[in-house]
Amino acid sequence: NAGVTQTPKFQVLKTGQSMTLQCAQDMNHNSMYWYRQDPGMGLRLIYYSASEGTTDKGEVPNGYNVSRLNKREFSLRLESAAPSQTSVYFCASILAAGDGTDTQYFGPGTRLTVL
Amino acid sequence: AQRVTQPEKLLSVFKGAPVELKCNYSYSGSPELFWYVQYSRQRLQLLLRHISRESIKGFTADLNKGETSFHLKKPFAQEEDSAMYYCALRDPLMIKAAGNKLTFGGGTRVLVKP
Repeated sequence: NAGVTQTPKFQVLKTGQSMTLQCAQDMNHNSMYWYRQDPGMGLRLIYYSASEGTTDKGEVPNGYNVSRLNKREFSLRLESAAPSQTSVYFCASILAAGDGTDTQYFGPGTRLTVL
Repeated sequence: AQRVTQPEKLLSVFKGAPVELKCNYSYSGSPELFWYVQYSRQRLQLLLRHISRESIKGFTADLNKGETSFHLKKPFAQEEDSAMYYCALRDPLMIKAAGNKLTFGGGTRVLVKP
């Protein structure tokens, strides 16, 4: 069981370039999330997918798009990267059994720098 | 809107000393509260949740609804407790509708000195 995996681990982009961050989970979880982590601001939710086939905006969705490719995979795309998107990005997943007893599992993170 | 505040960005204590990380929240109702920890070069992981009322790695946290707080405490800090700690809130009424979303505080870095 690899849990939640993310690729790449590190990435440097120039302003205006695009890229896709990949996330996959092998725990048969229903819901998946993308967060960004910035010093002093904690983790802020970018987008989430409550179930396969659905996606919703979180707190800071501007400049990002997502795709829930299937139950396992949830990708985050930056169409035109900006320096303000320099951050560490975390993917997370949760079974979402509906009874509230489960919790989110996190991936190792992707450190993105936009020059 | 719900909000989580961790007033201390950095806590530095000596090994063996008590440590308390503050967490205050704003939420009208009975929230679910969590503490997550991120050790150096590791992923974020759940430390404890208030409904479990358990002690993990010597840490405890009590939900105080009157003060809207969920402070994390450990009576004797160890060097291996050095990490980043995040308090998080989940709206139990929105578990199904809102997809189990968590609202995080800004985090507190704990440094335990030998």
